[in-house]
Amino acid sequence: DAKTTQPNSMESNEEEPVHLPCNHSTISGTDYIHWYRQLPSQGPEYVIHGLTSNVNNRMASLAIAEDRKSSTLILHRATLRDAAVYYCNANFGYEKLTFGTGTRLTIIP
Amino acid sequence: DGGITQSPKYLFRKEGQNVTLSCEQNLNHDAMYWYRQDPGQGLRLIYYSQIVNDFQKGDIAEGYSVSREKKESFPLTVTSAQKNPTAFYLCASSPRTGKQGEQYFGPGTRLTVT
Repeated sequence: DAKTTQPNSMESNEEEPVHLPCNHSTISGTDYIHWYRQLPSQGPEYVIHGLTSNVNNRMASLAIAEDRKSSTLILHRATLRDAAVYYCNANFGYEKLTFGTGTRLTIIP
Repeated sequence: DGGITQSPKYLFRKEGQNVTLSCEQNLNHDAMYWYRQDPGQGLRLIYYSQIVNDFQKGDIAEGYSVSREKKESFPLTVTSAQKNPTAFYLCASSPRTGKQGEQYFGPGTRLTVT
């Protein structure tokens, strides 16, 4: 299983872009990179996933390094509703979705 | 509305009692999962099921049991053998198995055992 490393916490000003990093140096060639986020006392919410190419959706963008050993979740314009714990997962399979402690993102008004 | 429901939201039990947590989905998903989350920690997989009448242990299955008699239901029983049952329990489902695809999570049940 690929181990992921994320900063414990980050802060960003409202309406500014946020770049959340994740290292997954032991990722295998077929493992997808998934990002989820969790608000307090709620279940996690899917954000985005990718394999090799950068990905965009309505919530965020995912930039994947060429060697796939790291990735960055990009929130283009942070709002107060984006304050959450963000989890990066790089060993996803139907039986292997496990999260570490993630990055707690604080948005400053 | 399609989604996953877990009930109850809060559950209190005395030590030594078994307790069953409910999880229902109307998304027609094949796969369902149970996770445990402790304060300030990430999620750990307890059990998962890919199809009806079949399920597999996750990383921390000891002290827990599940059943999958219907596609839409995946109840979790926390038995008296579970040493530290107080936690936030999350149920999830996904439309496909394999390497990619999102999981949909329920709102969770917070279990407190005293």
